[in-house]
Amino acid sequence: AQSVAQPEDQVNVAEGNPLTVKCTYSVSGNPYLFWYVQYPNRGLQFLLKYITGDNLVKGSYGFEAEFNKSQTSFHLKKPSALVSDSALYFCAVRDSQAGTALIFGKGTTLSVSS
Amino acid sequence: GAGVSQTPSNKVTEKGKYVELRCDPISGHTALYWYRQSLGQGPEFLIYFQGTGAADDSGLPNDRFFAVRPEGSVSTLKIQRTERGDSAVYLCASSLTARASGANVLTFGAGSRLTVL
Repeated sequence: AQSVAQPEDQVNVAEGNPLTVKCTYSVSGNPYLFWYVQYPNRGLQFLLKYITGDNLVKGSYGFEAEFNKSQTSFHLKKPSALVSDSALYFCAVRDSQAGTALIFGKGTTLSVSS
Repeated sequence: GAGVSQTPSNKVTEKGKYVELRCDPISGHTALYWYRQSLGQGPEFLIYFQGTGAADDSGLPNDRFFAVRPEGSVSTLKIQRTERGDSAVYLCASSLTARASGANVLTFGAGSRLTVL
């Protein structure tokens, strides 16, 4: 079975500081990993994905994530947070070999203060 | 269409009633997914279609829930004898299908908020 854990319900950072939103996963085979963002009253928006290759993945709005196979993690990062980054962030995983659906974590609320 | 369209955006019904939620995917997307999102939770997988057939319906909570996609485009999620616990936002997503279909990005609709009184 596949699963995703986002250990923090909320992350608070000051504008201009770096941010990290944590994610760990569990799959039987090789993972496909995704980050999505959800703004209030709006649908989920794709940020970035890891399929294979370079462990550091760059995505939309200056976000990046690092795949760490030994730690089964895929933490989302940004060097300098903006107030407009405040939103709900979801990590998701899919087993590349099992043909199963994309499974989401419970989400982390990012709050960036000015 | 340009995006994934879901109707209605809001539905209020009484316990025991029947409800249908519609999803119109992006044109050309052969994979279609239904998720349910309760307050404070991540999207919970319900079912996904590859073309007209359900490729995985393991997330449907019980036999009151059913989904169809008869022509491989529009899908309808049907909930019979609704219960208060069914109240949630029901999300639909679609994606292209390719050999590496698991790597395809899902594009989500805005959701249908269901409230069962």
